[in-house]
Amino acid sequence: DVKVTQSSRYLVKRTGEKVFLECVQDMDHENMFWYRQDPGLGLRLIYFSYDVKMKEKGDIPEGYSVSREKKERFSLILESASTNQTSMYLCATRGGRPDTQYFGPGTRLTVL
Amino acid sequence: QKEVEQNSGPLSVPEGAIASLNCTYSDRGSQSFFWYRQYSGKSPELIMFIYSNGDKEDGRFTAQLNKASQYVSLLIRDSQPSDSATYLCAVNFSGGYNKLIFGAGTRLAVHP
Repeated sequence: DVKVTQSSRYLVKRTGEKVFLECVQDMDHENMFWYRQDPGLGLRLIYFSYDVKMKEKGDIPEGYSVSREKKERFSLILESASTNQTSMYLCATRGGRPDTQYFGPGTRLTVL
Repeated sequence: QKEVEQNSGPLSVPEGAIASLNCTYSDRGSQSFFWYRQYSGKSPELIMFIYSNGDKEDGRFTAQLNKASQYVSLLIRDSQPSDSATYLCAVNFSGGYNKLIFGAGTRLAVHP
């Protein structure tokens, strides 16, 4: 079974704080993704990575950065959190059988 | 523009009925198609995948694919209240990096 874990299920931060969300997978998948999900807007891709130290912008990268120093770990960074970044953040990996995306449990981030 | 379209719902069906969820996609070259179920506050989980035209059955679930019409559907037979969730259609578009394009999801409500 693919296992994707995220560092926190719930997180509350203040405006202007730097926020780190971490995702770890144990299946040796090369591709990893960060999404945010908001009511009525569906899944929106923030960044993805297809290899260590490689990253590509998704549809909504503004206000976010990522880091992938090891294959199993993909971090999402909010440099200066704002209230409009309050959302559910979902990490996913791609691979396996079938070759598709597998999601972590999500982090519900609230920025006050 | 890569698009996957779903009716947002809610689709309301009585317990024991067949629920029919539909999805259209814009890329004629797409080869693999997936259905995810997402309970409120949880992350999406894969429930069905289909690659070839026709039907694929797994328990109470049937996925149907018509590549000529660029249409994929999910049928849930003998619907149960526990099937109440949002169902996301995902399509692996041809070309580009290995990422799926997700529809916004259809909310299904099964009432007793």
